[in-house]
Amino acid sequence: DAEITQSPRHKITETGRQVTLACHQTWNHNNMFWYRQDLGHGLRLIHYSYGVQDTNKGEVSDGYSVSRSNTEDLPLTLESAASSQTSVYFCASSERDPSTDTQYFGPGTRLTVL
Amino acid sequence: GQNIDQPTEMTATEGAIVQINCTYQTSGFNGLFWYQQHAGEAPTFLSYNVLDGLEEKGRFSSFLSRSKGYSYLLLKELQMKDSASYLCAVRDGDYKLSFGAGTTVTVRA
Repeated sequence: DAEITQSPRHKITETGRQVTLACHQTWNHNNMFWYRQDLGHGLRLIHYSYGVQDTNKGEVSDGYSVSRSNTEDLPLTLESAASSQTSVYFCASSERDPSTDTQYFGPGTRLTVL
Repeated sequence: GQNIDQPTEMTATEGAIVQINCTYQTSGFNGLFWYQQHAGEAPTFLSYNVLDGLEEKGRFSSFLSRSKGYSYLLLKELQMKDSASYLCAVRDGDYKLSFGAGTTVTVRA
């Protein structure tokens, strides 16, 4: 079955380290998104991509980067992890048209920065 | 910026009906979504409204009034498994989703 997966599911790291969270989807969806979820804030958009080689900044992009080299993957990199980046990270994808298609979410990665 | 408001918590009894309201102010509008999220899990898609009116899907219904910037999600015949957080999300003029903070619904026996 087609799906969207994230790895690792849990990660503990130290301040200043570089961390990469993986997101992989087998739906052949054109659009992919990264969100973070914190208590009291709901889901906030970090970065998104509307196709291979396309990346865009979201609402809370500082300290994060993404690259899209193929359809299936959108890895999220924290260049120098900070305690403020402790959060649950969700990847999502939608089929083709960002104006009409529904986003479907991966299982999430819980990241703790000590 | 975008502003999406929904109540923080609601409690209801098994078999009852609960209505979760969502009000929004966004730059542009291209649809409103409701997602369900159980603790420790991913949000899962429940419903989508882009035109005014009621969309019914089994025990769940969602209503939209674009002129009032208002939506509600109606959960009927509540079951224990409906205890979850319900997220209201608006797709804005740039086609990005903005989420409310979520409403935690607790169903009591």
